Amino acid sequence: GAVVSQHPSRVICKSGTSVKIECRSLDFQATTMFWYRQFPKKSLMLMATSNEGSKATYEQGVEKDKFLINHASLTLSTLTVTSAHPEDSSFYICSAREGLYEQYFGPGTRLTVT
Amino acid sequence: DQQVKQNSPSLSVQEGRISILNCDYTNSMFDYFLWYKKYPAEGPTFLISISSIKDKNEDGRFTVFLNKSAKHLSLHIVPSQPGDSAVYFCAAKVGGGTSYGKLTFGQGTILTVHP
Repeated sequence: GAVVSQHPSRVICKSGTSVKIECRSLDFQATTMFWYRQFPKKSLMLMATSNEGSKATYEQGVEKDKFLINHASLTLSTLTVTSAHPEDSSFYICSAREGLYEQYFGPGTRLTVT
Repeated sequence: DQQVKQNSPSLSVQEGRISILNCDYTNSMFDYFLWYKKYPAEGPTFLISISSIKDKNEDGRFTVFLNKSAKHLSLHIVPSQPGDSAVYFCAAKVGGGTSYGKLTFGQGTILTVHP
């Protein structure tokens, strides 16, 4: 099946700093990428949808200035958590889709803000 | 507003027996449903799906049943194996399988299969 990677898998940062998470589709061109956040024992919450070359569409309640999403190429999307705070600590998962085909998920990134 | 609900946070089953995972939804516009399996520190992997025009879809040990009138679907795994131990998420979307509709996930059910 298609492979989606995320980097880093785990990151610890200090409050007030910014963190960038990368999502790559390794063997297909991802026309659409999705960013999810998962709280402990909760469902995956969609944060935003990004199409290559255009601005991301954010879900209600997600601050676009805090969670910057860039999808500059067909194989790479980045999520930058700006001025991170402890409440931003979470598991962030991306998924990628080529056209109308199935979504493939990355392994996730565990962010801890101290 | 949780549109997709998995009311059982966990399920424990003996190896060889049937595992039944349940999912309920409230949005009648959902017309395509999926089940994903997730191991710790990994992303979800697709298991099986069903369109609202069907009431059953089978793939090997996995069968998904859909009851539209009750807005309920279930995933049956038989026989269950220890390697099936994982978190199972159901998800739903609007617009059919090949659509740009976003996925709405349930909270997940932790399945443990004992040898």
